[in-house]
Amino acid sequence: QLHLQESGPGLVKPSETLSLTCTVSGGSISSSGDYWVWIRQPPGKGLEWIGSISYRGRTKLSPSLKSRITMSVDTSKNQISLNLSSVTTADTAVFYCARDREYLDTLTGYYERAFDIWGQGTVVTVSS
Amino acid sequence: EIVLTQSPGTLSLSPGERATLSCRASQSVSSSYLVWYQQKPGQAPRLLIYGASSRATGIPDRFSGSGSGTDFTLTISRLEPEDFAVYYCQQYGNSLWTFGQGTKVEIK
Repeated sequence: QLHLQESGPGLVKPSETLSLTCTVSGGSISSSGDYWVWIRQPPGKGLEWIGSISYRGRTKLSPSLKSRITMSVDTSKNQISLNLSSVTTADTAVFYCARDREYLDTLTGYYERAFDIWGQGTVVTVSS
Repeated sequence: EIVLTQSPGTLSLSPGERATLSCRASQSVSSSYLVWYQQKPGQAPRLLIYGASSRATGIPDRFSGSGSGTDFTLTISRLEPEDFAVYYCQQYGNSLWTFGQGTKVEIK
């Protein structure tokens, strides 16, 4: 059973860089077709996709955050990482990592995608 | 960027009733990439429906998804107590994922 666990500091000062790690256990992150994603959820608000990375390091990033995001993958440790620079209080949120899984619909031959496994999330507060 | 608008914002229903949740896209979305999630307080979202109408593993058959183009629907045929939660739709297009703002299904 695949398990994802986010880790990182719970408190970051404004203007600093937020750094989080997602450790995947119970399976390999080196699966062709899968991406590994970061999502955040500010308190009382909805979900926001931050970015996705493949095991080969190919990234897809949210346009609104692209200038501040760095994502990386370490296949030897089965980990993905997120750096978000120049944080403000607006970046306070629960941060989730998840697997973006590729499915093949055998009836249509089309590929489908969805975030099928999520970590429990980690709370990050930006405050001085 | 495709914007997803969910309606209603809040749905007040009783257990046993039928729930119909709407997700409308600002432009046409591939059905292969339309997804629904359920989120309960203090928990991570859970995948319900992918490919607009395929139930994820372990999801009861009272949950169903339908739609195409710009209009998609999540239907819960008979609400169980554990179904009261927030539901999000999501789409993938032009290498970007976007979420709707969510519909809260609350007990009437």
